[in-house]
Amino acid sequence: DTEVTQTPKHLVMGMTNKKSLKCEQHMGHRAMYWYKQKAKKPPELMFVYSYEKLSINESVPSRFSPECPNSSLLNLHLHALQPEDSALYLCASSRGPGAGQPQHFGDGTRLSIL
Amino acid sequence: DQQVKQNSPSLSVQEGRISILNCDYTNSMFDYFLWYKKYPAEGPTFLISISSIKDKNEDGRFTVFLNKSAKHLSLHIVPSQPGDSAVYFCAAGGTSYGKLTFGQGTILTVHP
Repeated sequence: DTEVTQTPKHLVMGMTNKKSLKCEQHMGHRAMYWYKQKAKKPPELMFVYSYEKLSINESVPSRFSPECPNSSLLNLHLHALQPEDSALYLCASSRGPGAGQPQHFGDGTRLSIL
Repeated sequence: DQQVKQNSPSLSVQEGRISILNCDYTNSMFDYFLWYKKYPAEGPTFLISISSIKDKNEDGRFTVFLNKSAKHLSLHIVPSQPGDSAVYFCAAGGTSYGKLTFGQGTILTVHP
């Protein structure tokens, strides 16, 4: 069982919809991450939150909007997505923000844009 | 520019034998390296890591070797078990920097 919980597991939305992905961890980790993974490709970093502040944005389009309401929760708000945004969205957390702290992943949200 | 490369898309081994997965990197700023295992419909699971001050780290059946001069690391699994069949990702990053860069992954199949 993963200690990082992501909801929903699957999401289908139209290009004009607004939806949110949710990620939760209760390991006391202070760094949280969003990754995007396309089929047969490695995960690609989107955002890093360190101590609830956005520390890295990998030039992600503004139609993706992250939010960290508290140290246990991470959201990804979606608006006006494109078909090419269909992918597996993975959340991860680590004790601290450095690569020296292994990241623990959730099982992801499979997103399909119609 | 692919900074972390896993040149073997797949590897097939017999149960009980050794599995060796390889990874090469180009960025000299990387000082921490990790291996993840991924089953279908699950997120990556952390397996083992190594910092650049070491050349070997062992955890049970899993050993990671780092050759800094060659910018190469490998994961050895001994003995291999059918449950080890999964996609294995190599990842690299800086100790104080949150970004991990992943390789393309190697599909390991362990035959009974």
